[in-house]
Order: sequence, then C-alpha cells, then structure tokens
Amino acid sequence: QKEVEQNSGPLSVPEGAIASLNCTYSDRGSQSFFWYRQYSGKSPELIMFIYSNGDKEDGRFTAQLNKASQYVSLLIRDSQPSDSATYLCAVHSGGGADGLTFGKGTHLIIQP
Amino acid sequence: DARVTQTPRHKVTEMGQEVTMRCQPILGHNTVFWYRQTMMQGLELLAYFRNRAPLDDSGMPKDRFSAEMPDATLATLKIQPSEPRDSAVYFCASGLVQDGSSGANVLTFGAGSRLTVL
Repeated sequence: QKEVEQNSGPLSVPEGAIASLNCTYSDRGSQSFFWYRQYSGKSPELIMFIYSNGDKEDGRFTAQLNKASQYVSLLIRDSQPSDSATYLCAVHSGGGADGLTFGKGTHLIIQP
Repeated sequence: DARVTQTPRHKVTEMGQEVTMRCQPILGHNTVFWYRQTMMQGLELLAYFRNRAPLDDSGMPKDRFSAEMPDATLATLKIQPSEPRDSAVYFCASGLVQDGSSGANVLTFGAGSRLTVL
C-alpha cells in the first residue's frame, strides 16, 4: 500500500512569515512529487511539482525533495491570508501507473 | 481557460437509487481520472482511462460502481445501487501523457460532484 503522510494541522502562521509544509511517502520508487492547494469547497489546483533532489523555486513557493529520506516539503515565503487553504502532497510512482497518490492534506491558516 | 467540466455539481438521492456523474475532460488530454474525496480518507483514486481505454479500476467497489468513457469528450461514473457510505465529493481530473513517458503527472481537476445519499 503506497502511503503519503502529512500532518493534518491546522498550521497557524503569521502573515509575512514562512510557512513550512511537510510530507513523507512510503514508495521508494516514487518518481515525481506535486503540491496542490485546495480552498474549502473547491477543487485541488496545482502549485508546483518537483522531480529531482534539491530545491525548486517558483515565486513565493519553494519545493524541496530528499529522496533518500523520502521527504518532500513546501515553503511559502511572505505568507498572505489568501494562502490559507489545505495543501495536498501527491506522489507519482511511475512504472506505467498514471494516477497520483495524495496525502490527506495540511490545513494552513495565515493569521493577519 | 481550458477546464474539466463535471455534472451534476450537487446530487441528493436516496439509498438504492442509481447515480450517474459525468465529466468532460480538457480537449487534447488523453488520460482521465476519477477520484473520491471524504474527510476521513482524503482523495482516493477510483479509476482511470488512457486514450479511452480503462487502465485501472482497482480503487473502485466493483459490485456497485462502474466507469466508462464512451467517447473522448465524455467520461461517466455510475453507482448502482447507491449507499449512504458513498456520500462524498467525486472529482474528475484529466492530464496529458506523452508516449514514452512514465505516466501522467500534472492533473487538472474539475469542480467536483458532491453526492449525498440519504
């Protein structure tokens, strides 16, 4: 059973600070990793993805991947109240399988 | 903006009734997924299609759920008979898998169909 684990939160961060969201996965053969944001009552939307070990930056967002530790993280710099949402970590195992395995998400609250 | 269209957005039905949910994927996307989301289980993959062929439905209760893709613009998920435990939000998502790649990666989700079975 492939598992993706996230702390459910809520994670409360003051506006302007850095929010750090973490995710671990069980399948060592996993190849690509995704962060989706989901506002309450809405559908998940892609923030960014990462394939290689290290950091990947996109605006205020930085994804970090450590395959040896089976660990993915998302950093949000200069957090805004509009960043308040549930953040879903998703993992693609490859090997011909197309679907993503999702964690249950971390609820992030940015306090004004 | 290209988007995945799902209908109905909301459905309330009684136990034992048939429910059909429909999805129009993004034009040009060759892979379509059905996910179910509940508070307890999160997002669970039910089934998916590539180039209209069903590739995996291992996440779906076979006795009551069925998924089809009669043409490239329509995917359906049917529950018959429905049960209260089927109450959830059902998401359709589509993506583009390139030949020779390891699989679909970036998914675009529809707005979801919220199902309540009484």
